[in-house]
Amino acid sequence: DAKTTQPTSMDCAEGRAANLPCNHSTISGNEYVYWYRQIHSQGPQYIIHGLKNNETNEMASLIITEDRKSSTLILPHATLRDTAVYYCIAKSTGANSKLTFGKGITLSVRP
Amino acid sequence: GAVVSQHPSWVICKSGTSVKIECRSLDFQATTMFWYRQFPKQSLMLMATSNEGSKATYEQGVEKDKFLINHASLTLSTLTVTSAHPEDSSFYICSAHDRSPIYEQYFGPGTRLTVT
Repeated sequence: DAKTTQPTSMDCAEGRAANLPCNHSTISGNEYVYWYRQIHSQGPQYIIHGLKNNETNEMASLIITEDRKSSTLILPHATLRDTAVYYCIAKSTGANSKLTFGKGITLSVRP
Repeated sequence: GAVVSQHPSWVICKSGTSVKIECRSLDFQATTMFWYRQFPKQSLMLMATSNEGSKATYEQGVEKDKFLINHASLTLSTLTVTSAHPEDSSFYICSAHDRSPIYEQYFGPGTRLTVT
């Protein structure tokens, strides 16, 4: 699966949008982009995934560039509870495809 | 969304003993389950992949005789840490997906193992 790169950390003000970037320049055609987050001492939580088109759900929006080499996760109105480590992962669709976690980006939401 | 549970949520054991951790999918059938380990301030590391009714596939560097995985049913997988040592102290997390690997993988809340 393609490697992804993310900044180490970022912060944003509560109530503002948090835009988390991710580079996946070597992503292949059958790899999806997944986003998970992990709040301290908990299991990871699924946020969203996409292949080519932009996606939106109740938690976030995922914007994927046309060349699919990068994407941005948008939390439209960040709250203090959104403080977590966010992981961007490229994963193929084989029967035993697996999520491989990198270091992720630590998002700190400040009051 | 689907729920994955783990039991126990935390356990303390003495060096040399064995510990079993259970992972259950509560409202879906998990054809594939995964076991991860996470040391403090580090990311999750995949240990093994298990498919129901077959032997687990271990990642490179993970001792299969030390970390016994059983996936006996579509809703239950167990990880047994045999002859535990202090260096096995870690956060163990399981996850599962249903029949389609395209969709999200659901994670359990994790089990904190401390070996004294």
